[in-house]
Formats: sequence, C-alpha cells, structure tokens
Amino acid sequence: EVQLVESGGVVVQPGGSLRLSCAASGFTFDDYTMHWLRQAPGKGLEWVSLISWDGTSTYYADSVKGRFTISRDNSKNSLYLQMNSLRTEDTALYYCAKARVERIAVAGAAYWGQGTLLTVSS
Amino acid sequence: QSALTQPASVSGSPGQSITISCTGTSSDVGGYNYVSWYQQHPGEAPKLMIYDVSNRPSGVSTRFSGSKSGNTASLTISGLQAEDEADYYCSSYTSSSPWVFGGGTKLTVL
Repeated sequence: EVQLVESGGVVVQPGGSLRLSCAASGFTFDDYTMHWLRQAPGKGLEWVSLISWDGTSTYYADSVKGRFTISRDNSKNSLYLQMNSLRTEDTALYYCAKARVERIAVAGAAYWGQGTLLTVSS
Repeated sequence: QSALTQPASVSGSPGQSITISCTGTSSDVGGYNYVSWYQQHPGEAPKLMIYDVSNRPSGVSTRFSGSKSGNTASLTISGLQAEDEADYYCSSYTSSSPWVFGGGTKLTVL
C-alpha cells in the first residue's frame, strides 16, 4: 500500500526558512517523479514543484521559484522541500504526491499524502 | 501560470448527470492530452479520478468519465450519488511549467 507521510509544518515568521519532509513507503520510490502541492485555507489546489525519479530534473511554480528547493534522498525514500524567504501567502497545507507512472520526468500527481500545515505569521 | 477556469459550483439531484468544465488555452488543455481530475472531500486529501483526459484509475467508478474538446475539458458524473458531493479540480500539463490546476468546483447533491 502506498503511504506518504508529510512532516515539518509549523508556525514561522515572514522571511523565515523551513524544510518539509515526506516519507514514502509501499512502492519503489526511486522509480517515480514526486510532487509538492499546496492548498491555502479554504482555497484551491496549487502545484508547487516536482523532481524526477533520479533527481536530475526539477520544476517550480513561478510563485515559489528562487525561494523553494525540492530534493530527494532515494536511499531514505524521502522527499524534501526547503523553503526560504517565506511569505504570509505561503500559508497552506502542503501535500507530497507520487506520480502516476514510472520514470517520466513530468508525470502528473496520482497519490497524495495527508499534508502538513505551514503557517507563516508574525 | 494562469489557473484553468472551472465553474465555482454545480448541483444535481441523485440519479442525474452533471458535467464540470475546465477551460484553458492551447498551451495547456488544448495542446496536450494530459488533463487530470481530482475529487476532494472535506478534510481529506485529493483523489485522482481521471487521467490523460478520459482514463479512470483502477477502482474509480465507471460513473465518472472525462472528455476534451479544443481548450475545454469536461468531467461527467452520471447516476449522481450523495457520496459524490465534494470539490473537484482539473489539472493540465502546460508548456510553461509542468502542471496547473483549475480553481475547483463544489458539487452539491440536492
């Protein structure tokens, strides 16, 4: 059974930094592109970033480009999102998600974790 | 990265069919057959219902179907059931950044 467990969400001040983690199990982690997506309170879904199965390709939404960095450690079946220069508008529930198909760099999200809540507030 | 356009809300009675539209451009919906639909119940994570415009993942009811015409994709739910009441989001591959979502549609089963 696919399991994705996000962690690291806390309350942080504007301008601060934070790293989110996602622990994956139940599938061959290093065969799949992984995504970060987010949902602000009461709002819709927003795609944030993805990283290819081997970590060689990364993509970012314009809203986070230059501030967020996605990475993965295939030896630990873990996905990360380093977030710097945080803004109040980054407040959201952050989901990690597994791509639907193996070894396609930009494959879409298929299975989502339950999310971790980041609040950016002074 | 402009969001795809969905109606804010749709409604239908049990047993009826409803359709949710998702309008983009030739750079996303119209240019690629990579439209997905997600269902989200309150307090839950999104669930993939349709991928690649019209394909259903294993375990998704055949009452859910997807299609596309030009720059507009559609999700149709037939034989509406109370459990279908949820938020629905479309997503498309884009030429500018890999993925973009619609604003979401709240489905109410009357």
